[in-house]
Amino acid sequence: NAGVTQTPKFQVLKTGQSMTLQCAQDMNHNSMYWYRQDPGMGLRLIYYSASEGTTDKGEVPNGYNVSRLNKREFSLRLESAAPSQTSVYFCASRRETADEQYFGPGTRLTVT
Amino acid sequence: AQSVAQPEDQVNVAEGNPLTVKCTYSVSGNPYLFWYVQYPNRGLQFLLKYITGDNLVKGSYGFEAEFNKSQTSFHLKKPSALVSDSALYFCAVSPLNSGGYQKVTFGTGTKLQVIP
Repeated sequence: NAGVTQTPKFQVLKTGQSMTLQCAQDMNHNSMYWYRQDPGMGLRLIYYSASEGTTDKGEVPNGYNVSRLNKREFSLRLESAAPSQTSVYFCASRRETADEQYFGPGTRLTVT
Repeated sequence: AQSVAQPEDQVNVAEGNPLTVKCTYSVSGNPYLFWYVQYPNRGLQFLLKYITGDNLVKGSYGFEAEFNKSQTSFHLKKPSALVSDSALYFCAVSPLNSGGYQKVTFGTGTKLQVIP
């Protein structure tokens, strides 16, 4: 099992550019999540998908969109990148509410 | 609103000594509680969780945590620290409710430094 995979690992964007962060899990988990991690702020939820075909906003959704393409894949799109979106982005998945989350290795994004 | 507090940004402990990383929480109803560890340039890894039952939970790498309902705390402990335990530790809480999405709230993290 690969677990949760994310691409790319690193990305540098100019302000206004767009990009999509990809996430896939091979554990047949129902729920998938996108977080951003900033120093001193812990993890903040951007969007989540409780099951295939559904997505909902988290704490900090502005400037982002998501697609739950199928049960395995959950992508995060930045339509017009801003310097405030410089962060490390983590995808996670879990089977049920009582279960732990499994995290991907992260994408380090810099917007200049 | 639910919340998690990790009052120490950094904890320093000598190798071989016991360690404690503190966590207190606020949630409506009974909680699910989790500890995760993050090594540099890696994603978070699950250490242990409390759902119901015994207040002392044992997890990976010799770590354990004690759930204290009256103090709303879930402190992470290890009897003898290793240099390899040096990492960033996150506490997380989710409400124990049935049905629907249950939000997970993470603390801001505590950096553990084990000194040889």
